[in-house]
Amino acid sequence: GQNIDQPTEMTATEGAIVQINCTYQTSGFNGLFWYQQHAGEAPTFLSYNVLDGLEEKGRFSSFLSRSKGYSYLLLKELQMKDSASYLCAVRDEWGKFQFGAGTQVVVTP
Amino acid sequence: GAVVSQHPSWVICKSGTSVKIECRSLDFQATTMFWYRQFPKQSLMLMATSNEGSKATYEQGVEKDKFLINHASLTLSTLTVTSAHPEDSSFYICSAEGQGNYEQYFGPGTRLTVT
Repeated sequence: GQNIDQPTEMTATEGAIVQINCTYQTSGFNGLFWYQQHAGEAPTFLSYNVLDGLEEKGRFSSFLSRSKGYSYLLLKELQMKDSASYLCAVRDEWGKFQFGAGTQVVVTP
Repeated sequence: GAVVSQHPSWVICKSGTSVKIECRSLDFQATTMFWYRQFPKQSLMLMATSNEGSKATYEQGVEKDKFLINHASLTLSTLTVTSAHPEDSSFYICSAEGQGNYEQYFGPGTRLTVT
C-alpha cells in the first residue's frame, strides 16, 4: 500500500533552521514534491526531486534518497511568514500524487 | 507561470441540492486534472483523475455517481457534487498537469458548506 510519513508539528524560532523529514513507501516512484500550504489556501510548489541528492532553492533545500525512501525539506533563516503546513507528496507509477498528512511548522519570535 | 482558477471560491448550499465546481487552466492546456478533497487539519485526498475526452478515474471509496467529473476541453474540468449532504462539506482543490510537465499546478480551492 501507499504510506507517506512526516512529523505532525515542529516549532522553531525566527532565524533558525528546521528540517522536515519524510519517509515513503509507494507503488513505483516518479518524483517527490514538497508543497507549502497556509490555512484555507491551496498548496504552493516548493521543490521537486527525482534523482538522489540535494536541490537548493534560496532558503529552501530538499534532499532525496530513493534507496532509503527518504526525503527532507530544509528551511533556513526562518521567517514568521514560513509558519504553514508543509506537505510531502510522491508521484507514483501511475502518475498520481500521494500526499503525506503535512507538518505544521510554527515559527516563534 | 501556469495559472489554474477555480469557481466558485466558496459556496453554501442546502442538503439535497447539487453544486458544480469549475477548474480552468488559464494559460496552458491540461491533458490531466486532479480533484482533491481536504478536511480540516488533514492532508489532500485524491478523489479522481480527470483526462480530457475520456472518463475520469475515481479513487477507491469515491462514489462516481455522486461526484460527477467532466473534462470536456483541455482547459476545463468540472466537478458536480450531486445530492449534497453536510458530510460533503470540505475544501475541494483541483490541480492541472501541463503537457510533458512533471509538475501539477493547484487551483485556489473551493470551500463547500452544506447546511
